[in-house]
Parts: sequence; C-alpha cells; structure tokens
Amino acid sequence: GAVVSQHPSWVICKSGTSVKIECRSLDFQATTMFWYRQFPKQSLMLMATSNEGSKATYEQGVEKDKFLINHASLTLSTLTVTSAHPEDSSFYICSAPGSTNEQFFGPGTRLTVL
Amino acid sequence: GQQLNQSPQSMFIQEGEDVSMNCTSSSIFNTWLWYKQDPGEGPVLLIALYKAGELTSNGRLTAQFGITRKDSFLNISASIPSDVGIYFCAGQLGAGGTSYGKLTFGQGTILTVHP
Repeated sequence: GAVVSQHPSWVICKSGTSVKIECRSLDFQATTMFWYRQFPKQSLMLMATSNEGSKATYEQGVEKDKFLINHASLTLSTLTVTSAHPEDSSFYICSAPGSTNEQFFGPGTRLTVL
Repeated sequence: GQQLNQSPQSMFIQEGEDVSMNCTSSSIFNTWLWYKQDPGEGPVLLIALYKAGELTSNGRLTAQFGITRKDSFLNISASIPSDVGIYFCAGQLGAGGTSYGKLTFGQGTILTVHP
C-alpha cells in the first residue's frame, strides 16, 4: 500500500508557541489530504481537508485561524497549531487517498502542550 | 451528522478464538473500510469494501459490506496475540460533493487476546 509519513512523531511545546506538523505522501501524489485529531481512548475526528493549490476546508467547530493548513505540493501538507494551549494536546494524524480512494494514514504526531 | 455505531466496545478472548465485530450506520456509505490501530501509531488499512453485499478476505480477516450499504462486519479467525489493538470501521462517501474522501469512524473495538 501507499506510504504516508509524518514529522515529527512527537513534540512538546510551551503554551503560546506554534507547532508545525508535516504530512508527506512518499510514493504517490495526493491533491487532497486529510487531518484528524484523536484524544485518548477516543476515535478519530476529522479536522480539515487539505487541498493542493487552494484553501483548506474545515469541519464545523474547527478554528481555521488556530489550525493553519498549507498544501504546498502534491506530496506535502502541513498543519500548524498556532498559540498552542494544553487543551490542544492530542494525537494528530493525516491521511491521503490511494488509487481507489482508500485512505492511508500517517503514523501520527503526539503533541503535548505544557 | 453521520454516525457509525460500532460494537462491541471491547473484547477479551483467548488465543485461537474467532472474533466478530460490526458497524451500523443511519446513512448510506459508498465504501466501508476496516482499520487496526496500535498504541501511538496511525490506523493501518485492513480491508476495503466497495460493493453492497461484497465479502472480502485478507488472510485470517473477513469483512462484508451490507446489502443496504448501512452496515458491515469484520471477522478474525484463529486469533493470535499480535491481533491485539483497536479496530475501527470507517465509512466513506462516493465521488462528487464536498464530502468526497472524508471518513466517518466508528467508536472502535478494543481487542485483547490472552495467550
């Protein structure tokens, strides 16, 4: 199957700082990628759809000014958590569609905001 | 919005036993997907189902897409310790519209296998 990577795998930051998470499709191109958030012992919740060359579309209740998404190329999408606070601590996971639109997920990024 | 109801929430079984879990939805999905997630990692795709009534196997795993497109089950036969993890079902809408490619996840089934 297709391989999706994320960097970093984990990050600890101080409250008020910004953190950037990268999502890359390693052996295929993706005009669309998706960003999910997962709290402990819960399911994945879709945050936004990242569109190459255009603005991201956000799910209801997700602040677009807080979670900045940039899809700079056909293999890279970035999620920046701006002015992070402890309640933003979570597991952030991206996905990209394969040839028959099945979603392949990255390994996730554990964000801890102190 | 759309919701997937996945059951059971957790299962404790002995190695060698068979496992069955299922998902139901109030809405129709074009594609059903089953994923396994290990702690601290992203979900890994196990089986993808594209046609109503489709029955698909992947090794010891078997999944079926309900005829109404509103449900699916996953069976694991002869479980082994490495089957431990969280299993998620996910529904995906078809082409066209702003929801294309988005996944709606079930709540997950936590599987524990005792040696």
